Amino acid sequence: DAKTTQPPSMDCAEGRAANLPCNHSTISGNEYVYWYRQIHSQGPQYIIHGLKNNETNEMASLIITEDRKSSTLILPHATLRDTAVYYCIVRRSNTGKLIFGQGTTLQVKP
Amino acid sequence: DTEVTQTPKHLVMGMTNKKSLKCEQHMGHRAMYWYKQKAKKPPELMFVYSYEKLSINESVPSRFSPECPNSSLLNLHLHALQPEDSALYLCASSQGAQTQETQYFGPGTRLLVL
Repeated sequence: DAKTTQPPSMDCAEGRAANLPCNHSTISGNEYVYWYRQIHSQGPQYIIHGLKNNETNEMASLIITEDRKSSTLILPHATLRDTAVYYCIVRRSNTGKLIFGQGTTLQVKP
Repeated sequence: DTEVTQTPKHLVMGMTNKKSLKCEQHMGHRAMYWYKQKAKKPPELMFVYSYEKLSINESVPSRFSPECPNSSLLNLHLHALQPEDSALYLCASSQGAQTQETQYFGPGTRLLVL
């Protein structure tokens, strides 16, 4: 399985952009990168996913490097409600299984 | 609507009890999942149902028994659990079980085994 590596924790000032990095150097060509977040004691919330191209939706932007070995999730204007554990996941190509890594705890501070 | 509902929200059971967790979605999704999440750990996949058939069992002990009575409903039957089975049990669903299908999670059932 392709594994992901994320920093265990990050801080961000409220109103600033939060840039969350993820390494996935063993990713296969047809495996997608997914980002979820989990606010304390709730179910994981889907944020965004991509294969090769950069993606943007109403929540965030996903930047994937050309070699696909790493990606960055960008929350353009972080708020206190964005404080959560963010998981970068490489989706296994043959089963679609989600294998969660340890995630990054993002603390947004006033 | 991307809602997955789970009942109950909380459950306390003894080691000799039999209980069931319920998950429901009305998004027309054909794949449903059970995950287990211990405190301060990431979710771990337990089971995958695709078109109401069990397609993946991640070597889960038999005291956990999944059931998919129809495409909208997923149950997890619990019997003779151990205290170490105390965890948050998460249900998810997706359009299908293919790589690009987004999984949507429910809020979870917090289980305590005494």
